Amino acid sequence: QQPVQSPQAVILREGEDAVINCSSSKALYSVHWYRQKHGEAPVFLMILLKGGEQKGHDKISASFNEKKQQSSLYLTASQLSYSGTYFCGTEKRANFGNEKLTFGTGTRLTIIP
Amino acid sequence: DGGITQSPKYLFRKEGQNVTLSCEQNLNHDAMYWYRQDPGQGLRLIYYSQIVNDFQKGDIAEGYSVSREKKESFPLTVTSAQKNPTAFYLCASSRGGVEQFFGPGTRLTVL
Repeated sequence: QQPVQSPQAVILREGEDAVINCSSSKALYSVHWYRQKHGEAPVFLMILLKGGEQKGHDKISASFNEKKQQSSLYLTASQLSYSGTYFCGTEKRANFGNEKLTFGTGTRLTIIP
Repeated sequence: DGGITQSPKYLFRKEGQNVTLSCEQNLNHDAMYWYRQDPGQGLRLIYYSQIVNDFQKGDIAEGYSVSREKKESFPLTVTSAQKNPTAFYLCASSRGGVEQFFGPGTRLTVL
């Protein structure tokens, strides 16, 4: 089952903050976040592991609530380059060595000047 | 430069024809994946392979086939049994359990 992302789309002015959420009905081992610009391949942002700490670099960070099986991506002081569609990918790791991700349907983020 | 390549970038197919999409990586990654992307549906896993000569079905494997004879290569064949093959196809690779690196994709259109 695909994780559920919210919101589906958001429009921000440059400098504003955004939060993108990813929820799963299954127990998770890890959550990956990717950004895809129109017509391009998705690019890895970060991975959060079960039992791990909140991650972040530059003004993009993320958290993972294991009890709720939820992850949130935080974009602070958004820049025009942050525009794109953000996907979370969840991993159950039922069998070690047989890892696969299940991706959400994406959140389209548009930053306007 | 290390990376993952897909060819062709655009592909047109007549109904009833099989077509093979190429995916090559020189990152020395063990794991490789094929995804299908349709508007509003995100990325859906077709097939994946953790090691050479072994692969597993993903969530939407029907109408597709793959092979993994070499570590560097993971071609995907879209067969005539796939009823709605028009989509954007993405190949990815990883060391396993960590970030996936994606190729530029192949846009397949059935005429």
